[in-house]
Amino acid sequence: TQTVSQSDAHVTVFEGDSVELRCNYSYGGSIYLSWYIQHHGRGLQFLLKYYSGNPVVQGVNGFEAEFSKSDSSFHLRKASVHWSDSAVYFCAPMPNYNVLYFGSGTKLTVEP
Amino acid sequence: DAGVTQTPRHEVAEKGQTIILKCEPVSGHNDLFWYRQTKIQGLELLSYFRSKSLMEDGGAFKDRFKAEMLNSSFSTLKIQPTEPKDSAVYLCASSFPGGVNYAEQFFGPGTRLTVL
Repeated sequence: TQTVSQSDAHVTVFEGDSVELRCNYSYGGSIYLSWYIQHHGRGLQFLLKYYSGNPVVQGVNGFEAEFSKSDSSFHLRKASVHWSDSAVYFCAPMPNYNVLYFGSGTKLTVEP
Repeated sequence: DAGVTQTPRHEVAEKGQTIILKCEPVSGHNDLFWYRQTKIQGLELLSYFRSKSLMEDGGAFKDRFKAEMLNSSFSTLKIQPTEPKDSAVYLCASSFPGGVNYAEQFFGPGTRLTVL
C-alpha cells in the first residue's frame, strides 16, 4: 500500500522557535514531493516541492524541506516561526500524472 | 491574474436535493481537480480533468457525484441526491502541466456544504 504519513497531528511552539513538521511516504521510484499550507477557512497554498538535485529545497516565507531517500522522508522546517505561520500543513507526494495524494495534515499553533 | 474562483462559498441543502458547485480555474491552466475535505477523511480526490478530458475519478464517489468541464474555464460538480454525509468543504484546484510550475496546484477558497 502506498501511503503518506504525517505523524504529528498537532504541534505547538512559541514565536521565534524553530519547528520541524514530519512527513514519511512509501511511494517507490522518483516522485514529486510537496508541501501545502492551509490557513483557517481558506484553500491550500503551495509552499515548496522537490523532485531531484539538492535534497534541501527552499520555499516561501522562510520554509525549507529536506528529502531523504534512505528514510523515505520529506520534513518541513522553519528556523524562526511567526504567529502568522499558524495553519495546517499538508505533505503531498505526486506519484503519477499530476495527482497529489495528501497526508492527514499537521496543525501548527504558534503561541505569542 | 485571478486565482481559482469557487461559488457559492456556502451551501445548505436538504437531504435528497441536487446541488451544483462551480469552479473557474486560473486562466491558461489545463488541469482541474475537485477535492472533498473532511476532518475524518482529510483531502480526497473526486475528479481530475486534463484539457476537459476526465483523467481520474474517485471510484468511491461515482454514484452520486458528477464533475463536468463545460469549457476550459468552467467546471461544475453536481451531487445528486445529497446525503448528510456529504457535508464537507469542496475544493477546486487547477494547474499547468508543464514548465517551472509543474506539480503545483492552485486552490480556490472552497465551498462549505451542509446537508440537513
